[in-house]
Amino acid sequence: DARVTQTPRHKVTEMGQEVTMRCQPILGHNTVFWYRQTMMQGLELLAYFRNRAPLDDSGMPKDRFSAEMPDATLATLKIQPSEPRDSAVYFCASGLDRGLYYNEQFFGPGTRLTVL
Amino acid sequence: AQSVAQPEDQVNVAEGNPLTVKCTYSVSGNPYLFWYVQYPNRGLQFLLKYITGDNLVKGSYGFEAEFNKSQTSFHLKKPSALVSDSALYFCAVRDGNNFNKFYFGSGTKLNVKP
Repeated sequence: DARVTQTPRHKVTEMGQEVTMRCQPILGHNTVFWYRQTMMQGLELLAYFRNRAPLDDSGMPKDRFSAEMPDATLATLKIQPSEPRDSAVYFCASGLDRGLYYNEQFFGPGTRLTVL
Repeated sequence: AQSVAQPEDQVNVAEGNPLTVKCTYSVSGNPYLFWYVQYPNRGLQFLLKYITGDNLVKGSYGFEAEFNKSQTSFHLKKPSALVSDSALYFCAVRDGNNFNKFYFGSGTKLNVKP
């Protein structure tokens, strides 16, 4: 049963610390998405990769957030330095784009981040 | 502005009754439309999608949705609601002219009461 995995599932840290969240997309998928979910803002797209290349990161605060795909099996989202307003659930999702045919996204279980 | 709207924050329905969760969109070209469901403390799960073809699409757990191009809507429906359907539902749309642009709605909380 192929699934997107995310680590850690929960993270509590203090303001100013670096936070790294990891995601393993489903094998064979060529797109990866990072989302942030809060009660106030709902679901926000932070970054979008296809074939490991970033296509859209316009939703990501550039001064403190960075997203990378070191290889096809790993995506990372880093926050440095973290702030209390970054507290949220961060979801990773993967999917398979075939030319103009766009498939659904498969979401991971999320990382619940609390910044004190 | 291009987007997707879910006009109801919450929908309440009694078990056994039909349910509808509304979604309207505003994007260019022929859209790709999706519905996802989120249970508490879980990630979103795909329910169904419309790409082309028959306007009525059927998905998981007995859900279906109807694409209405003239009304730019893609409402989610189920003939008979279950208590276990209670969850948060998201509509999503991908721009038909720019596949790098897609949008999620704000979500609708469905409450099914016994």
